[in-house]
Amino acid sequence: EAGVAQSPRYKIIEKRQSVAFWCNPISGHATLYWYQQILGQGPKLLIQFQNNGVVDDSQLPKDRFSAERLKGVDSTLKIQPAKLEDSAVYLCASSSRAGTNEKLFFGSGTQLSVL
Amino acid sequence: KQEVTQIPAALSVPEGENLVLNCSFTDSAIYNLQWFRQDPGKGLTSLLLIQSSQREQTSGRLNASLDKSSGRSTLYIAASQPGDSATYLCAVRRGTDKLIFGTGTRLQVFP
Repeated sequence: EAGVAQSPRYKIIEKRQSVAFWCNPISGHATLYWYQQILGQGPKLLIQFQNNGVVDDSQLPKDRFSAERLKGVDSTLKIQPAKLEDSAVYLCASSSRAGTNEKLFFGSGTQLSVL
Repeated sequence: KQEVTQIPAALSVPEGENLVLNCSFTDSAIYNLQWFRQDPGKGLTSLLLIQSSQREQTSGRLNASLDKSSGRSTLYIAASQPGDSATYLCAVRRGTDKLIFGTGTRLQVFP
């Protein structure tokens, strides 16, 4: 079974530039998450999709971050414009069914450095 | 607001030692608690999930315990090996709310 695919693996940009990350979840997984993990901290949920609908985006900085999930499969996360504090690893995760005992599968993440 | 803390932040031990990683959470009204492993440059892998009604869960050399009333969980690793070197994260869930992750413990097991 193929895992969660993310690209790119690394990205270096200057502040105020734009950047986009891509995630391909495990086939058939309806639920998709984007997490932000700052160095030395645990992952923080940015947005949760159920199919192509947003379930929770309460911690997404909507003035600069946006995300979409086309046709309930692939997803992109965009930052525009980037700030220094956006430097982090962006993790995508998927599960077959949201719920209290769901099993999440994580991708390897995209490491973003904002200079 | 739920806060999850892990102590120690980093740990370095010789191979073969038994070790304990700690996780504390401020709101005891949780539904379950999970332990994850994160290898450098990789995503998270779920190790163990404990329901709030359970006291412990075991998988191979790993044993996780939960004391919900005191807001604590421990991950016990028996006979540690260099391959156990990774960052270990705990995460709690309240009902259908999102997972709240701890800050992690970075473990290094040297030969």
